[in-house]
Amino acid sequence: GDSVTQMEGPVTLSEEAFLTINCTYTATGYPSLFWYVQYPGEGLQLLLKATKADDKGSNKGFEATYRKETTSFHLEKGSVQVSDSAVYFCALRIAGGTSYGKLTFGQGTILTVHP
Amino acid sequence: SQTIHQWPATLVQPVGSPLSLECTVEGTSNPNLYWYRQAAGRGLQLLFYSVGIGQISSEVPQNLSASRPQDRQFILSSKKLLLSDSGFYLCAWEGGAGELFFGEGSRLTVL
Repeated sequence: GDSVTQMEGPVTLSEEAFLTINCTYTATGYPSLFWYVQYPGEGLQLLLKATKADDKGSNKGFEATYRKETTSFHLEKGSVQVSDSAVYFCALRIAGGTSYGKLTFGQGTILTVHP
Repeated sequence: SQTIHQWPATLVQPVGSPLSLECTVEGTSNPNLYWYRQAAGRGLQLLFYSVGIGQISSEVPQNLSASRPQDRQFILSSKKLLLSDSGFYLCAWEGGAGELFFGEGSRLTVL
């Protein structure tokens, strides 16, 4: 079945450090890929998305490129801030068939940024 | 613009009591709607999804049920709560590219 694997974490960085959170996937079709962010006590917010190979999603300084050859969608940010501290989820969606409209999520990666 | 709301935000219920969580979406019509549960440890589990009024698909056999009485209303229910029903419940609607937009969540503690 479809699955998403994220680096376990937790990840602890100093402010202005470079961030990478790895995400790889297994899918039977051609998925759309997403990153979500969850701040403490809140629901998930869509951070960025990519719907086909080589697409780059970007938002709020975060970027991720859909790499079909390595089945990866790693999240990066050049300079993190304390306010980026949150849990980050990678997810995929296969359209149609028995997986109609459903997102498959990774387990989440906790990011803590210190001043 | 579209908005999604869930309530109540927090509730504490005794084992064996009933449950009703409500979710409404504004600014869109005939959305696909979803209920997820997030237990401690962060993972998200899809519970139910709905593609229209009265149409409910269940992903996991459990103590819960869902209903969609109106186009933009999605309700999660239980007749008798179990301790294992504790968690953070998230409602979501589906956008045009297959992304999900989540509500603020409802935190349920069963004692």
